[in-house]
Amino acid sequence: AQTVTQSQPEMSVQEAETVTLSCTYDTSESNYYLFWYKQPPSRQMILVIRQEAYKQQNATENRFSVNFQKAAKSFSLKISDSQLGDTAMYFCAFYPGTYKYIFGTGTRLKVLA
Amino acid sequence: NAGVTQTPKFRVLKTGQSMTLLCAQDMNHEYMYWYRQDPGMGLRLIHYSVGEGTTAKGEVPDGYNVSRLKKQNFLLGLESAAPSQTSVYFCATRTAGAGELFFGEGSRLTVL
Repeated sequence: AQTVTQSQPEMSVQEAETVTLSCTYDTSESNYYLFWYKQPPSRQMILVIRQEAYKQQNATENRFSVNFQKAAKSFSLKISDSQLGDTAMYFCAFYPGTYKYIFGTGTRLKVLA
Repeated sequence: NAGVTQTPKFRVLKTGQSMTLLCAQDMNHEYMYWYRQDPGMGLRLIHYSVGEGTTAKGEVPDGYNVSRLKKQNFLLGLESAAPSQTSVYFCATRTAGAGELFFGEGSRLTVL
């Protein structure tokens, strides 16, 4: 079965510091897509960043970047210059191309002032 | 531009009552999904639809039914609500291809 594991249920970081959230997945597929979603206290799910498995270059979106290690099946999210507004639950998601998206259990991130 | 709209946002039911959650999208997306979110369990897929008139079971379909009579609407029904169905429900949509999911704001359902 294809699974997504987020091993850090909760994390905290000081404002302006850098934090890395980990995500590993299990699949036998070679082509797939990976996503990080943010869920702030408002409950809205917001796409943070996406990565296509066939691309070797790591995706970046402003202060957010990923470290995609295909062989290790690892997809970590790095948040630089953390801001109070980054406080949220973060979900890693995997799409193997079979209509279904598979989500991890989430990491609750708290940015401390 | 509303995107993905879920109604109602909150609902309290008694065990055995029925209800329907409505998901409406104005993005002309083919694919629509219903997920439930529970603490420590992430998002789990209940049912999904790959087009008007089609539906399929997800990971946790028991106790739920769905219909996609119109492309823009995806309904999730609970025929006889149980306390185990207390959860936050999310509707999501996407275009064909491996695009991102667009989510509604969620609906919090409590079954007493």
